[in-house]
Amino acid sequence: DQQVKQNSPSLSVQEGRISILNCDYTNSMFDYFLWYKKYPAEGPTFLISISSIKDKNEDGRFTVFLNKSAKHLSLHIVPSQPGDSAVYFCAASAVGGGKLIFGQGTELSVKP
Amino acid sequence: DTGVSQNPRHKITKRGQNVTFRCDPISEHNRLYWYRQTLGQGPEFLTYFQNEAQLEKSRLLSDRFSAERPKGSFSTLEIQRTEQGDSAMYLCASRSRAGGKMNTEAFFGQGTRLTVV
Repeated sequence: DQQVKQNSPSLSVQEGRISILNCDYTNSMFDYFLWYKKYPAEGPTFLISISSIKDKNEDGRFTVFLNKSAKHLSLHIVPSQPGDSAVYFCAASAVGGGKLIFGQGTELSVKP
Repeated sequence: DTGVSQNPRHKITKRGQNVTFRCDPISEHNRLYWYRQTLGQGPEFLTYFQNEAQLEKSRLLSDRFSAERPKGSFSTLEIQRTEQGDSAMYLCASRSRAGGKMNTEAFFGQGTRLTVV
């Protein structure tokens, strides 16, 4: 039962353009959502999060949008840079702040 | 304090041997998580502690796996009678209840890469 899904295994974007990474979830009890970035042979690094009481959170080049009715969130990176090339995971946490459930990841490649 | 620390970074073991990994969380983080990640997949939840109490274990966690956090600080994950299917990256993360907030970000360590031959 995959409660958090990232349906695009990979995404290729030109440097300077927008990268949009998508994530869908099924569990209505999720109330906190996070995006992580991961390089090979390293642990995931926290990027940005959003609470279910908001529909948008912005931090520099990174913006996360949450559509609760559609159970969908997305991460926008503008402008994309070659250093953004990595695997991006979305994760969700239910009420009470317990375990994080991760999606399968999307590998972003930003080409110069 | 430089973050979550995991040891060893790499472990190669023969099938049937026992292995133990250690995780030192960020100081004063009361919640500690263990995850497993295989190639092409997201981190898979194994278990988590709040202070020294183990609050949840994944039903996927066989009885060969055991985790402890005896004093509510560092944690160990032991795998007994390792199998080739146990080969994976084992990740530890810690999380605080900053200012009483339940939802905060989790910080991950570098992971321990286990190879069972």
